[in-house]
Amino acid sequence: QSALTQPPSASGSPGQSVTISCSGSSSDIGAFDYVCWYQHHPGKAPKLIIYDVNKRPSGVPDRFSGSKSGNTASLAVSGLQAEDEADYYCSSYAGDNSFYVFGTGTKVTVL
Amino acid sequence: EVRLVESGGGLVRPGGSLRLSCGASGLSFRDAWFNWVRLAPGKGLEWVGRIRRRDEGATTDFLQPLRGRFSISRDDSKNVLYLQLNRLTTADTGLYFCATEHWYSVNNWGQGTLVTVSS
Repeated sequence: QSALTQPPSASGSPGQSVTISCSGSSSDIGAFDYVCWYQHHPGKAPKLIIYDVNKRPSGVPDRFSGSKSGNTASLAVSGLQAEDEADYYCSSYAGDNSFYVFGTGTKVTVL
Repeated sequence: EVRLVESGGGLVRPGGSLRLSCGASGLSFRDAWFNWVRLAPGKGLEWVGRIRRRDEGATTDFLQPLRGRFSISRDDSKNVLYLQLNRLTTADTGLYFCATEHWYSVNNWGQGTLVTVSS
């Protein structure tokens, strides 16, 4: 099972929006509505910010939103804030043989 | 608040072994499924494996290439999860996270423990 493909980097000024793509296959993203997104500040625990493609855990601001089309998922962050600067990873359930596959990661920089 | 704390990482030579631990609090440990995920230098996250509840047989699943070298166990009396790493190679170097799983999402994570495999 190959890793999901994300752009290495993305950036935006405070208040702007940024969208990160996550490209998979018909065996993972295309097959299941179990896409998650994680925010990781190095040195800290990764944080779940989106699950089931577009649901936010309690406490996650609605500036974060997720979507999916075919084999590609996306994370949109609106109203960028300095604290949004972090690494972002997508993941997808991939069935009972491969279980979970993660993305290559995207470093978001707030200019 | 769920808190997961990994420990046991360190420097090990190729071919060596290491046992990682993950202490959990703030949750019903015996009711939880647990996963291990690793982050190699310059790479993305990689799912390692998981363990189900004890009343489900504490069965495990692994990333296919790791089967037979890695094992996961749990001690529900101590609220501790373990990852046994055997026949380590330099490709196993990375930050190892433990995390809970709930309905197809890996949700609460620890901060990780660093494993370095080098001669």
